[in-house]
Amino acid sequence: AQSVTQLGSHVSVSEGALVLLRCNYSSSVPPYLFWYVQYPNQGLQLLLKYTSAATLVKGINGFEAEFKKSETSFHLTKPSAHMRDAAEYFCAVNSGGYQKVTFGTGTKLQVIP
Amino acid sequence: DSGVTQTPKHLITATGQRVTLRCSPRSGDLSVYWYQQSLDQGLQFLIQYYNGEERAKGNILERFSAQQFPDLHSELNLSSLELGDSALYFCASSVEPADTGELFFGEGSRLTVL
Repeated sequence: AQSVTQLGSHVSVSEGALVLLRCNYSSSVPPYLFWYVQYPNQGLQLLLKYTSAATLVKGINGFEAEFKKSETSFHLTKPSAHMRDAAEYFCAVNSGGYQKVTFGTGTKLQVIP
Repeated sequence: DSGVTQTPKHLITATGQRVTLRCSPRSGDLSVYWYQQSLDQGLQFLIQYYNGEERAKGNILERFSAQQFPDLHSELNLSSLELGDSALYFCASSVEPADTGELFFGEGSRLTVL
């Protein structure tokens, strides 16, 4: 069985501040991990993905995430928040098999000017 | 633009009614997934089809059904609608077999049941 836990349903940061969104996963096999972003009134789009090639993954819009097996974590970071980063972020895990992706409950990021 | 098309974008109907949501996957994608997003339940996986066959089933109610047609488009049928079925329904597609499971989402169909 696979699962994802996102800590904090809402996160607020000031513009220019560090963004840290937390994600912990559970998987019986080495997983594929994803971060998706959902802007208001839009569908989800892929931000970045971990597929075991490198533990530090860089994505679009300056985001990156680090896979830490010992901590079963895949936290999303961005050094400096921008107003356009305000959105909901979903962590997701896929342990393979029939490619059923399990999503976390999402974290809404608010960026304060 | 993800390449996944969903219609209708908005739908308002009454309790007890039946609606059909349609999804056209990205060109070349054989897998289609349906998700329900609501404020209280978050993003819930409903069902997956691969090349016309049901591949995986999640938290899909018996009142709901889906199918994928030979041209790979998919339809999600929701019947005997209840107020609690009001939600955003997303379709996603992916290449299969895929090594990463990356999904491409449509913009969703917002269903309001009055």
